[in-house]
Amino acid sequence: DADVTQTPRNRITKTGKRIMLECSQTKGHDRMYWYRQDPGLGLRLIYYSFDVKDINKGEISDGYSVSRQAQAKFSLSLESAIPNQTALYFCATSDPGTSGGYNEQFFGPGTRLTVL
Amino acid sequence: QQQVKQSPQSLIVQKGGISIINCAYENTAFDYFPWYQQFPGKGPALLIAIRPDVSEKKEGRFTISFNKSAKQFSLHIMDSQPGDSATYFCAASTPGGTSYGKLTFGQGTILTVHP
Repeated sequence: DADVTQTPRNRITKTGKRIMLECSQTKGHDRMYWYRQDPGLGLRLIYYSFDVKDINKGEISDGYSVSRQAQAKFSLSLESAIPNQTALYFCATSDPGTSGGYNEQFFGPGTRLTVL
Repeated sequence: QQQVKQSPQSLIVQKGGISIINCAYENTAFDYFPWYQQFPGKGPALLIAIRPDVSEKKEGRFTISFNKSAKQFSLHIMDSQPGDSATYFCAASTPGGTSYGKLTFGQGTILTVHP
């Protein structure tokens, strides 16, 4: 969805490096999410934010941190990358008020991260 | 803890056949069950969703069947086409409070439809 953009799209880094993944959205949604996707494990929630002042841990937050710089921007950081953080990372947004209460989530195109 | 279990992990069907993907959940507080479709190189996108007050929802060739007592729901793709080849995720969420809107996803099913 072009309304949710992620940078970079691909990144190769080394163990111990700090890395930041960025997400921007033009949908005007308050809610933003970071997921990682691994084969056979599906999508797992890392962090989520329901507004600029609200940050919450998901099920796999260890080793990650986030920053909600503005309504439209939500960044994910790996403070010291390790190989098992190699995965596909997705940002998503939602606004239950505009989706009939169904809270449809709109995903970005993903960032493929490889930690050597 | 995986609260939504999805099967099979991969599925191959012939064009025109029926594709069936199953999900089972544990949390009886779940009240919204969407299916997302993901094409290679893209993010997942909502395909179809159901609430537990109905047992079936149909949109074109896609149908969700829901069995509240068994805590199971499934996606049926009728007349499967090669363009349906994608990864499918079931999901579930709970109402209200600070958890509202959080989705718990299944493990995903890679569907391949042969011409």
